Amino acid sequence: ETGVTQSPTHLIKTRGQQVTLRCSSQSGHNTVSWYQQALGQGPQFIFQYYREEENGRGNFPPRFSGLQFPNYSSELNVNALELDDSALYLCASSLVGLGPGELFFGEGSRLTVL
Amino acid sequence: AQSVTQLDSQVPVFEEAPVELRCNYSSSVSVYLFWYVQYPNQGLQLLLKYLSGSTLVKGINGFEAEFNKSQTSFHLRKPSVHISDTAEYFCAVSAGGSNYKLTFGKGTLLTVNP
Repeated sequence: ETGVTQSPTHLIKTRGQQVTLRCSSQSGHNTVSWYQQALGQGPQFIFQYYREEENGRGNFPPRFSGLQFPNYSSELNVNALELDDSALYLCASSLVGLGPGELFFGEGSRLTVL
Repeated sequence: AQSVTQLDSQVPVFEEAPVELRCNYSSSVSVYLFWYVQYPNQGLQLLLKYLSGSTLVKGINGFEAEFNKSQTSFHLRKPSVHISDTAEYFCAVSAGGSNYKLTFGKGTLLTVNP
């Protein structure tokens, strides 16, 4: 059973650019959530996908968007990058029916915006 | 809206000593409560959770937490810590009954010294 994997692990972008982060869910899981963890802060919920549709969103602007594919892998896209977007981006997969909070996190993608 | 306050950003202890990591929450509705652990360079892992019933919940690695509704607290305890318990610990609360949208505290870095 493979866990949640994310790519790339580290990347550097400049302000105004666009970035795509990828996540492969744990085998058998059908929901995926994305969180942003700024330095010294706890993770903040960005959005969640279930059956390829956004199923909940946190307080993030529309330039944060996502996709979930039929194989339950997922992408997080961020347009018009700002300096404050520098953070660790965490993907978490789960399975409907597992119960509240049963999230399985990847190790994250660390984004630096210069 | 829910919020979580972790009262200590860092807690240094000696090996085999007891430890308590404090967490307070605020919410206008019933909540689910969680503790996650993040070891260096790893993703977050669910340590334990309170959904309902007994206010004392036991988790992995000998940790336990007590839900106190009157004090809106969910403190994490371990009677005897090991070097391997060194990690960042996050308290979290579910938001609006969602199983996946969690509100995290800023984290407490537990450092266990020999």
